[in-house]
Amino acid sequence: AQSVTQPDIHITVSEGASLELRCNYSYGATPYLFWYVQSPGQGLQLLLKYFSGDTLVQGIKGFEAEFKRSQSSFNLRKPSVHWSDAAEYFCAMEYGNKLVFGAGTILRVKS
Amino acid sequence: DGGITQSPKYLFRKEGQNVTLSCEQNLNHDAMYWYRQDPGQGLRLIYYSQIVNDFQKGDIAEGYSVSREKKESFPLTVTSAQKNPTAFYLCASSDGGGNTEAFFGQGTRLTVV
Repeated sequence: AQSVTQPDIHITVSEGASLELRCNYSYGATPYLFWYVQSPGQGLQLLLKYFSGDTLVQGIKGFEAEFKRSQSSFNLRKPSVHWSDAAEYFCAMEYGNKLVFGAGTILRVKS
Repeated sequence: DGGITQSPKYLFRKEGQNVTLSCEQNLNHDAMYWYRQDPGQGLRLIYYSQIVNDFQKGDIAEGYSVSREKKESFPLTVTSAQKNPTAFYLCASSDGGGNTEAFFGQGTRLTVV
């Protein structure tokens, strides 16, 4: 069955440190993949998306993600985290005109 | 400003009552979606609509109903049959066709007491 897995429920990083949030998907073909961010009590904002082509995609707020077909992964990265990046991050996959979401990863940033 | 509006932001209802959550978009999007969010479970799809007067059940449709009489509007009714309705509900819209991003409203937090 089609699914998205985010293995880490919580991640804590120091301000200025690098960040990688993991995402794995299960799908028989090349999926459309997304990363969204959510601040508490708010809706979701799109960070970046992958449809085809270059496997390294750039997004807003200095985020990037790399699609690796061999590992069925679409990990989100940022070289230097800011305190304002503290939020919940969701990986999502589109198939059949529906978006399927992972369970989310809560990012905490310590100063 | 173009966007997607959910109202109200907070909603309280007594157990056994039906309640309707509003979702309006002025993005001229064909597709609209309702998701339920519970801590640690991500977003789960309740219903979606690809076109006016048509909608499909998502993964957790039991106890919910929707209508799509206008392109701009996709209200969700939480019925008394929904066993655990307290949650954060998110509405989204997109151009449809799959490879386009979804735009989300700010959500409605429903508490049933």
